[in-house]
Amino acid sequence: EVQLLESGGGLVQPGGSLRLSCAASGFIFSTYAMSWVRQAPGKGLEWVSGISGSGGSTDYADSVKGRFTISRDNSKNTLYLQMNSLRAEDTAVYYCAKDLRVGSSSYSDYWGQGTLVTVSS
Amino acid sequence: DIVMTQSPDSLSVSLGERATINCKSSQSVLYSSNNKNYLAWYQQKPGQPPKLLISWASTRESGVPDRFSGSGSGTDFTLTISSLQAEDVAVYYCQQFLFTPRTFGQGTTVEIK
Repeated sequence: EVQLLESGGGLVQPGGSLRLSCAASGFIFSTYAMSWVRQAPGKGLEWVSGISGSGGSTDYADSVKGRFTISRDNSKNTLYLQMNSLRAEDTAVYYCAKDLRVGSSSYSDYWGQGTLVTVSS
Repeated sequence: DIVMTQSPDSLSVSLGERATINCKSSQSVLYSSNNKNYLAWYQQKPGQPPKLLISWASTRESGVPDRFSGSGSGTDFTLTISSLQAEDVAVYYCQQFLFTPRTFGQGTTVEIK
């Protein structure tokens, strides 16, 4: 059974940093692309970032490019999202998702329960 | 970025009746090399993460009831719930995954009338 468990969320001041983690199990982690998707309170879904199975290829939404860094440790079956220069508009539940990749495209087939990030002074 | 527009924003349907959600993309998400539509549908129940219902516009995921069906091609897509059940109350999102960034529709809330 696929399991994705996010952690690392919390309250942070504007301009601050936070690192999210996602522990994966139930599948061969290194063979799957992964993504982070966020959802602001009461709002819709926004894809944030994706990474290939090897970690050699990454993509970002323009809204986070240059501030967020996605990475993975395949030896630990863990996905990360380093978030710097946080803004109030980054406040959201952040979901980790397992991707199915077809060529250069991917869609998410399993999602974690999410971790809440609140950016406020 | 590709804009995905869903209609309606909310839908109230009687139990056992049909629910239809539309999704329109600002550019075609049909990839000519493989003739596949790069379009997925997700269901999100209150307090839960999204769940993948349909990929490739019309391929139902394993375990998804057959009352859910997807159709359409190019820029216009439809999710149909043929006979609404109480457990189908949720927000439904379409997403294109042909282009980066992958973009979602704004969501359609389905309620029981």
